[in-house]
Amino acid sequence: ETGVTQSPTHLIKTRGQQVTLRCSSQSGHNTVSWYQQALGQGPQFIFQYYREEENGRGNFPPRFSGLQFPNYSSELNVNALELDDSALYLCASSSEWRGGWETQYFGPGTRLLVL
Amino acid sequence: SQQGEEDPQALSIQEGENATMNCSYKTSINNLQWYRQNSGRGLVHLILIRSNEREKHSGRLRVTLDTSKKSSSLLITASRAADTASYFCATEPQGGSEKLVFGKGTKLTVNP
Repeated sequence: ETGVTQSPTHLIKTRGQQVTLRCSSQSGHNTVSWYQQALGQGPQFIFQYYREEENGRGNFPPRFSGLQFPNYSSELNVNALELDDSALYLCASSSEWRGGWETQYFGPGTRLLVL
Repeated sequence: SQQGEEDPQALSIQEGENATMNCSYKTSINNLQWYRQNSGRGLVHLILIRSNEREKHSGRLRVTLDTSKKSSSLLITASRAADTASYFCATEPQGGSEKLVFGKGTKLTVNP
């Protein structure tokens, strides 16, 4: 157990809808990263938040957006859902990013199915 | 984008045997990490090796890194059925906006 929690565990939506996924980071961690993992693939980096500011973004369209709150928990929002958005969404928390030395601790993920 | 490529894609061995997985990547990195994932759930961090390190050990795990060849290997010694999982390498590219870039993974099956 890493201490990183995600909700919900599973979610079914239809095309065009919007979804919000939530992540509570491990105690003492101020950085949260979000990843999308399609079936049979490795995780792909969506974006990272550090002290409530976006701190890096992968190759995902603007309809993927996020927030980090003062308690360092985070949300991932996806608008105008497409079938290809069906995936496991993972969040990972870490302590202050210092040139990559800090380990990321992953939550169990939210499995999103878009019909 | 997926920078790392694990090899093989799938590996099946008997309990007690050693398992070796390889990872190649494309750009200069700050560090390389190996993760394990059971049944499509969360990833568990196994080991991190920095770009100025060549080899690292943790319990039954041995990781090597060759930055000149842009490759790494993960060796699991004396494997157990509980080691059955998917294993991913992840790199942190130098100067990039992506924090961790994962490969597609190696699916390891350890038969009792």
